[in-house]
Amino acid sequence: QSALTQPPSASGSPGQSVTISCTGTSSDVGVYNYVSWYQQHPGKAPKLMIYEVTKRPSGVPDRFSASKSGNTASLTVSGLQAEDEADYYCSSYAGNNNVIFGGGTKLTVL
Amino acid sequence: QVQLQESGPGLVKPSETLSLTCAVSGHSISSGYCWGWVRQPPGKGLEWIASLYPGGNTYYNPSLKSRVTISVDTSRNELSLKLTSVTAADTAVYYCARHWRITSPFDYWGQGALVTVSS
Repeated sequence: QSALTQPPSASGSPGQSVTISCTGTSSDVGVYNYVSWYQQHPGKAPKLMIYEVTKRPSGVPDRFSASKSGNTASLTVSGLQAEDEADYYCSSYAGNNNVIFGGGTKLTVL
Repeated sequence: QVQLQESGPGLVKPSETLSLTCAVSGHSISSGYCWGWVRQPPGKGLEWIASLYPGGNTYYNPSLKSRVTISVDTSRNELSLKLTSVTAADTAVYYCARHWRITSPFDYWGQGALVTVSS
């Protein structure tokens, strides 16, 4: 199973919105609603931001939202803040008890 | 509050076996959750390695399955990882993490342990 495809970088100014895509296949993102998004600051462990495509864990700001269309999932960060600058990774269940991640997107707040 | 802490040698020689332990506190490791390992080579993305249900099934990344063993010691509340025949490509930060089931995301993570493969 190949990794999910993410753009290497994304950027936006404070207050703006930015969307990060995550493209898989009809064997993973396209067929399962088990897409998650993680935020990772330098030197830190990943933090769960979104699960089951659109759900936010308790404590995650509602500025973070997500969706899925076909084989592509998307994470949108609205009202960008300086602390949102981090790496973001998508993940999907890929069937046959297999889990795959995307290559990561570095989000820069200009 | 669930806490996970990885430990093990920071340096492993090529062709040898990498062994890591994850101590879990604040939660019984045998209480119905799935526990796993994820790694991240320096400057690169995340890669799922393996997961297990204590007393139940084990699940492995197909690309690593032939070299990986995941296990649990319920008496110590610890998760373990063994990766055989390591090469420089196995140099990474290794995280242990918890998820509800194999289809679920990882909700609690350890701080990670850097393992370097070098002679």
